[in-house]
Amino acid sequence: QSALTQPASVSGSPGQSITISCTGTSSDIGTYDHVSWYQVLPGKAPKLVIYAVANRPSGISNRFSGSKSGNTASLTISGLRTDDEAAYYCSSYSTTSKIIFGGGTELTV
Amino acid sequence: QLVESGGGLVQPGGSLRLSCVASTFTFSSYWMAWVRQAPGKGLEWVANINEDGRTKNYVDSVEGRFTISRDNAKNSLYLQMTSLRAEDKAVYYCAREVGRPHYYYGMDVWGQGTTVTVSS
Repeated sequence: QSALTQPASVSGSPGQSITISCTGTSSDIGTYDHVSWYQVLPGKAPKLVIYAVANRPSGISNRFSGSKSGNTASLTISGLRTDDEAAYYCSSYSTTSKIIFGGGTELTV
Repeated sequence: QLVESGGGLVQPGGSLRLSCVASTFTFSSYWMAWVRQAPGKGLEWVANINEDGRTKNYVDSVEGRFTISRDNAKNSLYLQMTSLRAEDKAVYYCAREVGRPHYYYGMDVWGQGTTVTVSS
């Protein structure tokens, strides 16, 4: 199974919005709304920020939003803050019952 | 809360058993997973297991070498790793899956990770 495709890096200024794309195939993102996004700070465990394409877990800021179109999912962070600087990974359930991650995107604020 | 242990240095071809103890939630009600992150690399899902341990899935690269298991009486998840290779070197996290069995809502609780180093 191939990893989902994410841009290696994105950047934005405080207060701006950025969007990270995550492209899969008809065997994963294109078939299921089981896309999740994780924030990973250096030396820390991953933190779930979006599940089921567009849902936020309790305690996650509404500045984080998700969407999907066809085989591509997207994470948007609005009102960028310096503490949003981290690596972001998308993930999807697949038709093989396996879980696939994207390669990760480094966000610089 | 999830707490992993069992990581360490092992020679290529060797074996290691990782453990993960859960607390503050009903362990037996959740699918559980192992996810790893190699140095300088991204996250990679390794394996998962359903609530009663009867359903297991693995990433292709560890199929036949790693075995995931659980002991619900001990609130514990395990990963038995054999025939270890240099490319298995990583921080290994255990994580709780949510939304099962009908949906997959990702992994909402993670341990702090345990480091596996494969080197001669």
